[in-house]
Amino acid sequence: GNSVTQMEGPVTLSEEAFLTINCTYTATGYPSLFWYVQYPGEGLQLLLKATKADDKGSNKGFEATYRKETTSFHLEKGSVQVSDSAVYFCALIETGSGSEKLVFGKGTKLTVNP
Amino acid sequence: GAGVSQSPSNKVTEKGKDVELRCDPISGHTALYWYRQSLGQGLEFLIYFQGNSAPDKSGLPSDRFSAERTGGSVSTLTIQRTQQEDSAVYLCASSLRTGGSYTFGSGTRLTVV
Repeated sequence: GNSVTQMEGPVTLSEEAFLTINCTYTATGYPSLFWYVQYPGEGLQLLLKATKADDKGSNKGFEATYRKETTSFHLEKGSVQVSDSAVYFCALIETGSGSEKLVFGKGTKLTVNP
Repeated sequence: GAGVSQSPSNKVTEKGKDVELRCDPISGHTALYWYRQSLGQGLEFLIYFQGNSAPDKSGLPSDRFSAERTGGSVSTLTIQRTQQEDSAVYLCASSLRTGGSYTFGSGTRLTVV
């Protein structure tokens, strides 16, 4: 079945550091890929998405590129801020598969220190 | 409404009691999902609705769990004879169509004592 694997956390960075959170996926078809973020005490929010190969999703300085050849969707940000401290979830949905469920990775907790 | 609304936001119940959790999706959203988020467990899929029907119930942990959706809108997740392992945050999400971006509610934090 479909699955998402993301790097284990927690990740601790200093402000203005470069961030990469790795995400790889397994799918039999052509999934859409997502990054969701959960800030402390809040619900899940969509951060960015990409629906086909080579698409780049971007939002709030975060970027991720849909790489079909490596089945990856790594999240990057050039300069993190304290306010980026949150749990980040990589996810996929395989449209037309009949299941239509969003499959999540286990989440990566990011802490940014001033 | 403007977002996905879940109620109650917090529920403490005694072991063995039944609980009902409610989800009010964004108006017009045909797809609705229930997930469970346990401490250290990540997000666990429970059930998916397309309109009023549930094509995928594969994530319901046991027959103590059931869900329904009426009028293509409000959904209720019912847990019978609650156990301590049911303690978790139950999240609801909706989408305008399948395969689209999902909007999540703030969740119901269930504590079974």
